[in-house]
Amino acid sequence: DTAVSQTPKYLVTQMGNDKSIKCEQNLGHDTMYWYKQDSKKFLKIMFSYNNKELIINETVPNRFSPKSPDKAHLNLHINSLELGDSAVYFCASSHAPNEKLFFGSGTQLSVL
Amino acid sequence: AQTVTQSQPEMSVQEAETVTLSCTYDTSESDYYLFWYKQPPSRQMILVIRQEAYKQQNATENRFSVNFQKAAKSFSLKISDSQLGDAAMYFCAYRRKGGSEKLVFGKGTKLTVNP
Repeated sequence: DTAVSQTPKYLVTQMGNDKSIKCEQNLGHDTMYWYKQDSKKFLKIMFSYNNKELIINETVPNRFSPKSPDKAHLNLHINSLELGDSAVYFCASSHAPNEKLFFGSGTQLSVL
Repeated sequence: AQTVTQSQPEMSVQEAETVTLSCTYDTSESDYYLFWYKQPPSRQMILVIRQEAYKQQNATENRFSVNFQKAAKSFSLKISDSQLGDAAMYFCAYRRKGGSEKLVFGKGTKLTVNP
């Protein structure tokens, strides 16, 4: 029943590894987002997809590659993980003309 | 570029009292949305209240109300009769009108509620 679900909730990994975070929404929304929340709690947009098309890419290193197989899914793949990638990653979705964003519960990534 | 500023990194309030969290923003748009989100320790982002810029009337949701001053680009949140469950990070956010627009967040205010 969860509207926006992301997995895993916690991810602990070593530097240099590649990992993926999955996100699915069952709300029928056209737009999905990835946000990063750093250790100081600051939330910043990373990517946005509308109907599987990339529309926002906020100067994120190209080690981060979002993939949207269909408009209900937006996965985030991260190559060659670095210590500075440790953060909480939130997936969200929205549907015009509704102005609300619906957030997933976040994935806490810890890079050791 | 739009920016959102929350000048109070931390605030505290006694249970049952009232507290006001400040937010200012910068935009050249005339029509947009403003939001307050709450993030408790559970990490979930919870929408508290939203305001449409073209509406003069301040939004209210139960104990939560806003003071929206469009000319001053100010959007403060007032929490009345504070409860222990109100303790959380509070984020002010701005969104341009348009179906695929992003939310721009302030840096947050950590609210502590003292019993």
